[in-house]
Amino acid sequence: DIVMTQTPLSLSVTPGQPASISCKSSESLLHSDGKTYLYWYLQKPGQSPHLLIYEVSSRLSGVPDRFSGSGSGTDFTLKISRVEAEDIGVYYCLQGLQSPRTFGPGTKVEIK
Amino acid sequence: QVQLQESGPGLVKPSETLSLTCTVSGGSIRNYYWSWIRQPPGKGLEWIGYISYSGSTSYSPSLKSRVSMSVDTSKNQFSLRVSSVTAADTAVYFCARGASPLSWGQGTLVTVSS
Repeated sequence: DIVMTQTPLSLSVTPGQPASISCKSSESLLHSDGKTYLYWYLQKPGQSPHLLIYEVSSRLSGVPDRFSGSGSGTDFTLKISRVEAEDIGVYYCLQGLQSPRTFGPGTKVEIK
Repeated sequence: QVQLQESGPGLVKPSETLSLTCTVSGGSIRNYYWSWIRQPPGKGLEWIGYISYSGSTSYSPSLKSRVSMSVDTSKNQFSLRVSSVTAADTAVYFCARGASPLSWGQGTLVTVSS
């Protein structure tokens, strides 16, 4: 199985400041089709997760452009350019290259 | 916009079988993969598996011996069964569209207790 790790596991951010979350996979997520299958989800308190970013850097329609994804191979980053109060919750990365799908442990983002 | 809704018993006795159904509305169940994911209270997300609209499946190795999924295209529903449950199976169970989930249901809490 591909193991996903995230750092940090918790993050306290001042509104308006940037935030960054790292996700690493135990194997490259690059598929032979040229795509890299790394996804980012946000689970707000009391809600189900929702998809923010797919294939490393593509924002889902409706996701604010303050969210951006980058990376390649085994190292990936989710950045929030200016954190807002509504961005609190737990962020998860997911590898979609192979089964079983595996999630990272999650990064809890709080507002200072 | 596709919406998903989980349904099923909220309480299951140890050693019995957990059964949940996900109803898809606002779109057809055809031409997609459909996933189940669970989240124990206060913990992270665990992928259970997925099923295609034609019935092909992929399950988590850790649950494979106890899990089965099915799809009913006539009802636009897909289902999950987990046999021989224990307290460790207590979790919020989510259904979702896509093998790497695009959209999720709201989740349903299933408690395993006598």
